[in-house]
Amino acid sequence: DVVLTQSPATLSVTPGERISLSCRASESVDTYLHWYQQKPNESPRLLIKYASQSISGIPSRFSGSGSGTDFTLSINGVELEDLSIYYCQQGNSLPYTFGAGTKLELK
Amino acid sequence: QVTLKESGPGILQPSQTLSLTCTFSGFSLSTYGMGVGWIRQPSGKGLEWLANIWWDDDKYYNPSLKNRLTISKDTSNNQAFLKITNVDTADTATYYCARISSSFAYWGQGTLVTVSS
Repeated sequence: DVVLTQSPATLSVTPGERISLSCRASESVDTYLHWYQQKPNESPRLLIKYASQSISGIPSRFSGSGSGTDFTLSINGVELEDLSIYYCQQGNSLPYTFGAGTKLELK
Repeated sequence: QVTLKESGPGILQPSQTLSLTCTFSGFSLSTYGMGVGWIRQPSGKGLEWLANIWWDDDKYYNPSLKNRLTISKDTSNNQAFLKITNVDTADTATYYCARISSSFAYWGQGTLVTVSS
């Protein structure tokens, strides 16, 4: 199974700052890497697909990059509504796997 | 507009079979490339992929639960189903269905399943 390691586990942020979240795969997943946001008591929401492709309706401050084993989700100007847990997921090989998540909290 | 909604028993006892239904709209599981997946999440924990079913009836299971899982679909009624046999307390979780390609683009609201004696 492909193991996805997300770091950091928790990130304390100040509104307005630019941040980056990391997701590293135990083997190459090409660009079959997707990012989700999950707010408390809500279902996950797809933010970025195929490493860097934007999703309709998702604010432009969210962007993704990477390929192979190293991926980054960036938020350019964090807003209070972004305080959530972020998961990466690989769809390159079965079983599909998720990272353990990065929690954004207010500094 | 794509929507999905899960339904399940709410609570069941250890060793019973869990039956889940995903009722969806806005797409058809008879359309080329369409698929529905099931994912679960224990309270306060991460996400675990369980199974996928595709428009051509291909099915894929998480090997960690493979012998206990059965996924199926009813294309005419826009539904997908998941059965998990011999449940125990470790199967207590919120169960989601989602429309899938490689990513899970649309998710249902989830249904909480509690396994308890």
